[in-house]
Amino acid sequence: QSVLTQSPSASGTPGQRITISCSGSSSNIGSNTVNWYQQLPGTAPKLLIYDNNQRPSGVPDRFSGSKSGTSASLAISWLRSEDEGDYYCAAWDDSLKGPVFGGGTKLTVL
Amino acid sequence: EVQVLESGGGLVQPGGSLRLSCAASGFPFSSYAMNWVRQAPGKGLQWVSAISGSGGATFLPDSVKGRFTISRDNSKNTLFLQMSSLRAEDTAVYYCAKGSEPAAFDIWGPGTMVTVSS
Repeated sequence: QSVLTQSPSASGTPGQRITISCSGSSSNIGSNTVNWYQQLPGTAPKLLIYDNNQRPSGVPDRFSGSKSGTSASLAISWLRSEDEGDYYCAAWDDSLKGPVFGGGTKLTVL
Repeated sequence: EVQVLESGGGLVQPGGSLRLSCAASGFPFSSYAMNWVRQAPGKGLQWVSAISGSGGATFLPDSVKGRFTISRDNSKNTLFLQMSSLRAEDTAVYYCAKGSEPAAFDIWGPGTMVTVSS
């Protein structure tokens, strides 16, 4: 059972905009920044968004993040087939004194 | 090129021990906290340990505390994870990850597989 809650699946068609949500509590998302990771099939995770809405160098601006209260969202615009994979949210948890992850959302591009 | 590369995974019996290594290059290793994150087959990500840049502070979740030890050799740009009293539920791909800030891991290795089975 993951500390952060994500819907297990999401889907969209090429060119569409989709959002993936992540729900936490006051000890994690409510008091710390949220990061998002992309894991394409058979590969290691990659940092996609940090500090709620910042993109590392090389990440397309089709990817954006936001946070409100104890929830966060990742939006992917102009969906492409190569975006298919798993997406994880993460945040520091003050009670557990460590990083916690969501269970992941599997994105399918139809 | 900034990269990290894990090694040392393999098959080990329940109750056994294993030491993972992570060789880093392309960045000032001693300036950054380093982490181990694991992923059981078909499952999500789980953070299993962190160590400060100097090596003076270590952090582990209760699920592995007392069984796993994280350390680093800054003279050799290498991170280690010593695992003992291994259980079937420790079976996973173990990733080495460079920490840029809490819960933000900006460089990941390809991972090394650990299988705990008799």
